[in-house]
Amino acid sequence: DAGITQSPRHKVTETGTPVTLRCHQTENHRYMYWYRQDPGHGLRLIHYSYGVKDTDKGEVSDGYSVSRSKTEDFLLTLESATSSQTSVYFCAISAGEGEKLFFGSGTQLSVL
Amino acid sequence: GENVEQHPSTLSVQEGDSAVIKCTYSDSASNYFPWYKQELGKRPQLIIDIRSNVGEKKDQRIAVTLNKTAKHFSLHITETQPEDSAVYFCAARGKTGANNLFFGTGTRLTVIP
Repeated sequence: DAGITQSPRHKVTETGTPVTLRCHQTENHRYMYWYRQDPGHGLRLIHYSYGVKDTDKGEVSDGYSVSRSKTEDFLLTLESATSSQTSVYFCAISAGEGEKLFFGSGTQLSVL
Repeated sequence: GENVEQHPSTLSVQEGDSAVIKCTYSDSASNYFPWYKQELGKRPQLIIDIRSNVGEKKDQRIAVTLNKTAKHFSLHITETQPEDSAVYFCAARGKTGANNLFFGTGTRLTVIP
């Protein structure tokens, strides 16, 4: 398995609270991604990063922000969590543009 | 953006039979088509992929075919085994510079012993 660690693995929070999910990689890959997985929707890209401090939006970026201060870490922040953000969040990495994508183990987030 | 449709949503086969999952895509510029297998509670894992300059690729019991003209691609699993039971996702990536993989909604495959 690719060296990707997500934390926490599970989190329950209340509507309106801020939440930060962390993705850590040991592969020194340039690209990192955050996806969310919901029944009936497959996996959808939230944000991605193509280098330190270089990020871009995906198809479902509203309500989320990201930061990448080091190659190995990519943080996803929900500034004010809503129930619609209850989902499983997967981090992924790839060595370069157009390269294979490898996923972390996921974070189950419940917003009550 | 790209739109990927996947069928069927569920598929049950007897052990030893073949399984076929089909996907269509909308963006004719898409050039990379991976397939992921996801077991319950686990991460999606890449099982095979194909690029637009190739029509077919095999890896032991699994194969993927691509028809660029019709904009569809398929996953074929032969001699299915119970451990093949999982959810399978197809995906498509657009032209160079677009890093988003667009995923289908998944197929739950059940292999009946």
